[in-house]
Amino acid sequence: DQQVKQNSPSLSVQEGRISILNCDYTNSMFDYFLWYKKYPAEGPTFLISISSIKDKNEDGRFTVFLNKSAKHLSLHIVPSQPGDSAVYFCAASGIGGNNRLAFGKGNQVVVIP
Amino acid sequence: NAGVTQTPKFQVLKTGQSMTLQCAQDMNHEYMSWYRQDPGMGLRLIHYSVGAGITDQGEVPNGYNVSRSTTEDFPLRLLSAAPSQTSVYFCASSLGEGTGELFFGEGSRLTVL
Repeated sequence: DQQVKQNSPSLSVQEGRISILNCDYTNSMFDYFLWYKKYPAEGPTFLISISSIKDKNEDGRFTVFLNKSAKHLSLHIVPSQPGDSAVYFCAASGIGGNNRLAFGKGNQVVVIP
Repeated sequence: NAGVTQTPKFQVLKTGQSMTLQCAQDMNHEYMSWYRQDPGMGLRLIHYSVGAGITDQGEVPNGYNVSRSTTEDFPLRLLSAAPSQTSVYFCASSLGEGTGELFFGEGSRLTVL
């Protein structure tokens, strides 16, 4: 039973526009929520995170929003750049330890120049 | 600046064979873990270690063994390979009980025939 869910497996967006990725979770005990970015033939790399006590965290072009009542978070990338073309994984931690991550299935993002 | 190093990058096994995937990190991280990534499944935790001499099971531990004799190394052993273990394996490390920010290796692609 997947605790972190990412629907809409792929997203295409024009360069300069906003990319919005969505993620839902089922367990209210998670403490942190994270986004990882993955290029082909490479390992995932950490992108941005948010604590469960916050509702927004911003880092440059990347912003993560958390809606605890809806058990929903989203990642906004503004403006999107061709180098952002990758698979994005939503993850959650805090159950059994903060380093035990539960991952979603991932979203493929393609930024069209 | 090696980070997390995994070997081999590719391996083909026959059913019933055994092998070890190697993982080494040079960041003096206490926490290390193994994930597998299957199409449409995201990443799932196999085993993890919070320090030398300490290991524990993750979400999908069956068919795998681990040990942690040093801080740097965390090998993953497949005892008797099965086609269901065909996957991409990622090793990850973290400094301590943080927020879930893990450093991943580049992955090892294993095919079991």
